[in-house]
Amino acid sequence: LAKTTQPISMDSYEGQEVNITCSHNNIATNDYITWYQQFPSQGPRFIIQGYKTKVTNEVASLFIPADRKSSTLSLPRVSLSDTAVYYCLVGPGRRALTFGSGTRLQVQP
Amino acid sequence: GAVVSQHPSRVICKSGTSVKIECRSLDFQATTMFWYRQFPKQSLMLMATSNEGSKATYEQGVEKDKFLINHASLTLSTLTVTSAHPEDSSFYICSAPGQGADSVGYTFGSGTRLTVV
Repeated sequence: LAKTTQPISMDSYEGQEVNITCSHNNIATNDYITWYQQFPSQGPRFIIQGYKTKVTNEVASLFIPADRKSSTLSLPRVSLSDTAVYYCLVGPGRRALTFGSGTRLQVQP
Repeated sequence: GAVVSQHPSRVICKSGTSVKIECRSLDFQATTMFWYRQFPKQSLMLMATSNEGSKATYEQGVEKDKFLINHASLTLSTLTVTSAHPEDSSFYICSAPGQGADSVGYTFGSGTRLTVV
């Protein structure tokens, strides 16, 4: 399984764009990249998934360079409610099971 | 979208007793469900894969006799923590493969906070 590395924590202010990068040097050809968000005492929530280039949905964008050894989750104009832990998962097919350490995002007013 | 319901949300039990946690898929069938454990300030650790109609598959280091998993129907998986000890106190979360528009990921339950005293 590809190991993922993310910053332990990040701080931002309301209204800013936040970019969280995940390194996955050993990503395999059939691996997808999936991001989850977790609030305290809740289960994780699916945010976005991608294989290559760029994926965008109503809450985030995911940028994946050509070599796929890293990916960046972009959250536009964050609010206080985006304070959470964000996990990058890499795994075969479209469903990865192994969580890394995650990035704790703190959004300040 | 798909919803996974987990019950109870919180439970306190005495050392040596057993506790059962239920995970239900609402409005969809899940032949496979997954159980995770999460200690404070740590990430989720996959404990086992629950398979409907067959034995669960446990991750290395997880005691199958202590964490009993039963997946008797297509909508229900249960995790029983037997002879609980304080070190079993943790946040337990189940998940099932997403359905429909969420089919690319997993849907997680809201978790169960277990405190063993």
